[in-house]
Amino acid sequence: DVKVTQSSRYLVKRTGEKVFLECVQDMDHENMFWYRQDPGLGLRLIYFSYDVKMKEKGDIPEGYSVSREKKERFSLILESASTNQTSMYLCATSGVGSPEQYFGPGTRLLVL
Amino acid sequence: EDQVTQSPEALRLQEGESSSLNCSYTVSGLRGLFWYRQDPGKGPEFLFTLYSAGEEKEKERLKATLTKKESFLHITAPKPEDSATYLCAVQDTGGFKTIFGAGTRLFVKA
Repeated sequence: DVKVTQSSRYLVKRTGEKVFLECVQDMDHENMFWYRQDPGLGLRLIYFSYDVKMKEKGDIPEGYSVSREKKERFSLILESASTNQTSMYLCATSGVGSPEQYFGPGTRLLVL
Repeated sequence: EDQVTQSPEALRLQEGESSSLNCSYTVSGLRGLFWYRQDPGKGPEFLFTLYSAGEEKEKERLKATLTKKESFLHITAPKPEDSATYLCAVQDTGGFKTIFGAGTRLFVKA
């Protein structure tokens, strides 16, 4: 079974703090994704990566950056957290030739 | 532009009352259509991938079907543990992006 883990289930941060969310997968998948999920807006793609050190902007990259130094890890960085970044953050992975994505448990981030 | 619309937004069923969830989609070329189950406060759990019109897949009380414009998730004799949000998503042949629908919240009462 694909296992995708996220560093925290719940996180509370202050406005202006730098926030790191980490995702680790154990299935040797090439593709990794970061989404945020908000009521009424569904899942929105922030960034994705199809290889180590490669990254592509999704639909809502503003205020976020990512890092992928190793194949199994994909980090999402909020350079200066703002209250409108309060959300559920979901990491997902997929392999070459298999388009379905496998999700982690999510991190619920509250920015005060 | 790729688009996914799910209906109804919410569905309340009695235990044992079969029904269907609808997913209408628009893509330039379909690479795959996916169904996920999401429990409150958790990440989506992958259920099925459908690749071409006429394809069907089953898992326990769930059966997914696909036409050129829509997919149905049929739930036969549901149980309370089937209560969840069901998400439909599509990926077109052009790239990596997957477009998700807003989901159908299913409530099954004992």
